[in-house]
Amino acid sequence: ILNVEQSPQSLHVQEGDSTNFTCSFPSSNFYALHWYRWETAKSPEALFVMTLNGDEKKKGRISATLNTKEGYSYLYIKGSQPEDSATYLCAFYGGSQGNLIFGKGTKLSVKP
Amino acid sequence: GAGVSQSPRYKVAKRGQDVALRCDPISGHVSLFWYQQALGQGPEFLTYFQNEAQLDKSGLPSDRFFAERPEGSVSTLKIQRTQQEDSAVYLCASRTVNEQFFGPGTRLTVL
Repeated sequence: ILNVEQSPQSLHVQEGDSTNFTCSFPSSNFYALHWYRWETAKSPEALFVMTLNGDEKKKGRISATLNTKEGYSYLYIKGSQPEDSATYLCAFYGGSQGNLIFGKGTKLSVKP
Repeated sequence: GAGVSQSPRYKVAKRGQDVALRCDPISGHVSLFWYQQALGQGPEFLTYFQNEAQLDKSGLPSDRFFAERPEGSVSTLKIQRTQQEDSAVYLCASRTVNEQFFGPGTRLTVL
C-alpha cells in the first residue's frame, strides 16, 4: 500500500512569518508529485507538478523542492499572508492510469 | 465551462436514502476521476473513467457505490442506501496529460 505522509497536520503562524511543510512519499515507481492548495468550499488549486529529482519551483511567495531518491518534498511560504490560509495537499502519482495518492494535508492558519 | 463543476454542492440525506452526485468535467478531457475525502483524511481514489469506459473501480468502498459516464462527458456517482460513514466530500477531477483539475466537491452529510 502506497503511503503519502504530510507534516505538520496543522500550523498556526502570524502574518509575515515564513513557514514550510513536508511531504514524504514512496521513492519507487515515482512519476510526479503534485501540490494543491485547498480553501474551504472551493476547488483544490494546483500549485506545482514536480517530476525531476532536485526540482525547485516557485510561484510568487510559494516555492517547492523535490527529492525523489529519499522520497520527500518541501513546500515553503515566504512572508505568510492571511489569504494563504488553506489546506495544502501533496499527492503522489505513480504513472499508471493516473489516480493520485494524497496525503492528509497541512492546514495553515495565518493570523493578521 | 472554465473548470470542473459539481452539483449539488451540499447534500443532506437521511440514512437509507439514495443520492446522486453530478460532475461536469472540463470539455474535451478524456479522463475523469472521483475521490472521497472523509473528515481528517486526504482525498482517496474511488473510480476512474476514460471516456465512457470505467477502467478502475477498485476504490469504491462497497457495492452501494456506483458511477457512470454514459456519453463520455458528465459523470454521476450514485450511492444507494446511504450510511453515516458515507458522509464526506466527494471530489471529481478531469485530467490533461500532466495535471488533474478538481471541482469544488459535494459535501454529503448522512444523518
